[in-house]
Amino acid sequence: DTAVSQTPKYLVTQMGNDKSIKCEQNLGHDTMYWYKQDSKKFLKIMFSYNNKELIINETVPNRFSPKSPDKAHLNLHINSLELGDSAVYFCASSQYRYGYTFGSGTRLTVV
Amino acid sequence: SQQGEEDPQALSIQEGENATMNCSYKTSINNLQWYRQNSGRGLVHLILIRSNEREKHSGRLRVTLDTSKKSSSLLITASRAADTASYFCATDAGNYGQNFVFGPGTRLSVLP
Repeated sequence: DTAVSQTPKYLVTQMGNDKSIKCEQNLGHDTMYWYKQDSKKFLKIMFSYNNKELIINETVPNRFSPKSPDKAHLNLHINSLELGDSAVYFCASSQYRYGYTFGSGTRLTVV
Repeated sequence: SQQGEEDPQALSIQEGENATMNCSYKTSINNLQWYRQNSGRGLVHLILIRSNEREKHSGRLRVTLDTSKKSSSLLITASRAADTASYFCATDAGNYGQNFVFGPGTRLSVLP
């Protein structure tokens, strides 16, 4: 009954591969997000989706593409993975101006 | 960027002591939030304080907000070993409030 669940928890892959991370929330929140946390623990927003519309797209390479089939899901697809993509990726959801609920993270390692 | 920045970067205290962490930001906000992250886990929302509020309590947590100084503090009273975690402040960026910017966090260690 996890509120925000993302899979997989760990992902090890080679450079150049394409991978996806899935996220689902059962809170009925209107907005979902993807954040990237680097090795120094900095959290940087990548995308947010509100009612299936992308409302924020920070300076993220176009190799990253969010896909939201419905408001309970926001998946992250990454093409042509690079070493620098190694990080922990967090999915989160919120209901307008209230606190975020985060998933437990996906640790991506590109080798 | 109006990224919040926590201070100190790391804090080590004994169980039972109080822990104070500060957050400074650069531009006007609608609200500020504090989160906790245990090692290897996602962030957990602790408390939200709105720009028209000066102080808020939740259990052993006390958050203050000084909009004139663009700063906030998080006080954890009577700390426990289980409070060991990283603590982040997050500030919202605009009137839609959907883009929260996180600071680099304060790593708190509570020693038994």
